[in-house]
Amino acid sequence: TQLLEQSPQFLSIQEGENLTVYCNSSSVFSSLQWYRQEPGEGPVLLVTVVTGGEVKKLKRLTFQFGDARKDSSLHITAAQPGDTGLYLCAGASGNEKLTFGTGTRLTIIP
Amino acid sequence: DTAVSQTPKYLVTQMGNDKSIKCEQNLGHDTMYWYKQDSKKFLKIMFSYNNKELIINETVPNRFSPKSPDKAHLNLHINSLELGDSAVYFCASSALQGLTEAFFGQGTRLTVV
Repeated sequence: TQLLEQSPQFLSIQEGENLTVYCNSSSVFSSLQWYRQEPGEGPVLLVTVVTGGEVKKLKRLTFQFGDARKDSSLHITAAQPGDTGLYLCAGASGNEKLTFGTGTRLTIIP
Repeated sequence: DTAVSQTPKYLVTQMGNDKSIKCEQNLGHDTMYWYKQDSKKFLKIMFSYNNKELIINETVPNRFSPKSPDKAHLNLHINSLELGDSAVYFCASSALQGLTEAFFGQGTRLTVV
């Protein structure tokens, strides 16, 4: 069974600080997606990374796919209250099933 | 115009009852899914359909029966509801299975009492 472990599970920081969320697995994925979910809503895609070592930037968010395509990180610079939410990584495997990570609940305190 | 819509949003029912959740997508996608999100926010795939055909069935109890009358609809019927079935159920769709963005509905919060 493929498992994507995210760390930390919970993170609460002050507005303006930087943070990094990690997504780790022992399995290789063909691609990896990051989603953000807000209360009462479904997850919404932020980014997809496909190539080992790939780095993608989305404004203050920087996503990296590990060289071996087993792990990924999300770095947020100068966090804002609007960044608050549940962040989920999701890996696509050989049978094209999307496996979701354990989630990181991020709270940005104004 | 909601891309993936599921109804109802909330469902409270007694143990032993049978209930259905409906899902429709207007994105023209071939693949649709049902996911279950537990109280710890872990999102686990239950079923995947591609163009009305069952592709993935993740060892879900056979009390859960998905039905896809056409590729725009994927309904979930649950028989003999149990307390442990309480969760948020999400319908989603994607253009290509697993490889492209999954668009999620707003979820159905099922509470079994």
